[in-house]
Amino acid sequence: GENVEQHPSTLSVQEGDSAVIKCTYSDSASNYFPWYKQELGKRPQLIIDIRSNVGEKKDQRIAVTLNKTAKHFSLHITETQPEDSAVYFCAAFYTGGFKTIFGAGTRLFVKA
Amino acid sequence: DVKVTQSSRYLVKRTGEKVFLECVQDMDHENMFWYRQDPGLGLRLIYFSYDVKMKEKGDIPEGYSVSREKKERFSLILESASTNQTSMYLCATQVVSGELFFGEGSRLTVL
Repeated sequence: GENVEQHPSTLSVQEGDSAVIKCTYSDSASNYFPWYKQELGKRPQLIIDIRSNVGEKKDQRIAVTLNKTAKHFSLHITETQPEDSAVYFCAAFYTGGFKTIFGAGTRLFVKA
Repeated sequence: DVKVTQSSRYLVKRTGEKVFLECVQDMDHENMFWYRQDPGLGLRLIYFSYDVKMKEKGDIPEGYSVSREKKERFSLILESASTNQTSMYLCATQVVSGELFFGEGSRLTVL
């Protein structure tokens, strides 16, 4: 069945460094790739997304890249801050269907 | 702002009890979902509904059922709770673009 693999499962960086989280999806029909951030004790919330007709998207300190051929997409956070500490989930979705497939999550620690 | 409200944040139940988890949304969204969140496993889809009285199994439906009698309300039912159903349960609605809006979650402990 469809799946999304996410790496690493845990990531620890110093404040100010960059963080990169990588995902691979299996369903070639997927055309929407959201990233959700879940702070401790809170609900997951969308922080950025990318569609299959775009290779890269940036929003301030966060950016996503998509390689459709390789079925890879990545989240890049620059100049990390302690408030970036959270669990990040990548996901893949086909807009003609209903199911969003999530990766297992990456716990990011940003050390001050 | 989209509001998705889960009625219970924390529940403790005994093995064999029937458990109801309620979810209400205020945005008239067609699609609603129940996910289960466990460490290292991400969010796994239990059931979803794309219309009133319509329901579809997700990836891990065993031991669960759902009810959608009204568009704004989607309930998850554990007919006979078991200890392996101890988990965080997240309800979500979805807009046409694909973005999901989650509730705060219901942490269920089955003793």
